[in-house]
Amino acid sequence: GAGVSQSPSNKVTEKGKDVELRCDPISGHTALYWYRQSLGQGLEFLIYFQGNSAPDKSGLPSDRFSAERTGGSVSTLTIQRTQQEDSAVYLCASSFMGDTGEYTEAFFGQGTRLTVV
Amino acid sequence: AQSVTQLGSHVSVSEGALVLLRCNYSSSVPPYLFWYVQYPNQGLQLLLKYTSAATLVKGINGFEAEFKKSETSFHLTKPSAHMSDAAEYFCAVSALAGYSTLTFGKGTMLLVSP
Repeated sequence: GAGVSQSPSNKVTEKGKDVELRCDPISGHTALYWYRQSLGQGLEFLIYFQGNSAPDKSGLPSDRFSAERTGGSVSTLTIQRTQQEDSAVYLCASSFMGDTGEYTEAFFGQGTRLTVV
Repeated sequence: AQSVTQLGSHVSVSEGALVLLRCNYSSSVPPYLFWYVQYPNQGLQLLLKYTSAATLVKGINGFEAEFKKSETSFHLTKPSAHMSDAAEYFCAVSALAGYSTLTFGKGTMLLVSP
């Protein structure tokens, strides 16, 4: 597609359930990022993928959070045993290496709004 | 370590008035700086970026920003506000273009009145 696609756009889940959030980056973008946007914390970095590997996962808030990327494309962010404080908008972004050898700016998807009740 | 401070969680202007959204950064290495805009229920859209070329950067929708190293600032301006500019604006810093990780400010909500 033309842009970064995230699904679902909205997710309501019960506390304690597991959820999976999906991100389809722009075709050909090798770098993929997950961010979280919440009222109290603003925009926070969660994890970065280069291809299928995650050299930087320093932003994952706890071991209940994990992410994977397959085929250098689709990524899934999984939250186990969800808690109410996990309620937020989860944003995915992607970028690619330009002619200068540096990565372009990040292109963001519209996000998944997660509500834990 | 990097950080971004956006002064004012809300800024109100009248249509046609000057828009000024303030951003100050802290970075231990030469920064790359970005302004993103977020419309309701939308993702983030890049307005403009500074990557060590010209210090005055022009972006989309008539916005521009000036990198001032001595003031560690990257304020966003637009000469004449339009109703469609009402949105939340985020300033962000990274050590490299694209990756590394973006560090965002808390955001400034721009309100435009007729």
